[in-house]
Amino acid sequence: EAGVAQSPRYKIIEKRQSVAFWCNPISGHATLYWYQQILGQGPKLLIQFQNNGVVDDSQLPKDRFSAERLKGVDSTLKIQPAKLEDSAVYLCASSWGGETQYFGPGTRLLVL
Amino acid sequence: GEDVEQSLFLSVREGDSSVINCTYTDSSSTYLYWYKQEPGAGLQLLTYIFSNMDMKQDQRLTVLLNKKDKHLSLRIADTQTGDSAIYFCAESQGNTPLVFGKGTRLSVIA
Repeated sequence: EAGVAQSPRYKIIEKRQSVAFWCNPISGHATLYWYQQILGQGPKLLIQFQNNGVVDDSQLPKDRFSAERLKGVDSTLKIQPAKLEDSAVYLCASSWGGETQYFGPGTRLLVL
Repeated sequence: GEDVEQSLFLSVREGDSSVINCTYTDSSSTYLYWYKQEPGAGLQLLTYIFSNMDMKQDQRLTVLLNKKDKHLSLRIADTQTGDSAIYFCAESQGNTPLVFGKGTRLSVIA
């Protein structure tokens, strides 16, 4: 069974630029999560999708971050414009709706 | 609000047992997890325990849960250099976002 796929693996941008991350969850997994992991911290939820609907986006900085999950499969997370403090690892996870979340390898973002 | 606390560092000798501790505050937590993160990698689920269990063993891993004290521990028997990583404690209520601690960096000395 293929795992959660994410791309790109690394991204370096300048502040005020835009960036987008892509996630392909495990086949059949209805629930998809985006987490932000700042260096030295544990991951923190940005947004949770159930199929193509948003379940929880209370921690998403909506003035600059947006996410979508069209057709209830792949998802994209966008930052526009990026700030220095957005430097982090962006982790995508999926689950079939039960207790186990499986994580992708993450996208490492550096904002200069 | 929800909070998960872990000690930040642990150093053990190869072959010894490692014990990583975690405390949490949310009494409605249903599942408690241990994830492992190696440098440059994502999170690997090691094991999890349902809140009505006291103990779970899986090969070299033993999870102990004290629900009264909201204390969770992960014991790794016969620790190897390949066990060097950051270990995250996390909790959830099932199909809900995980709440993570800051992670414990385990260093195994050969």
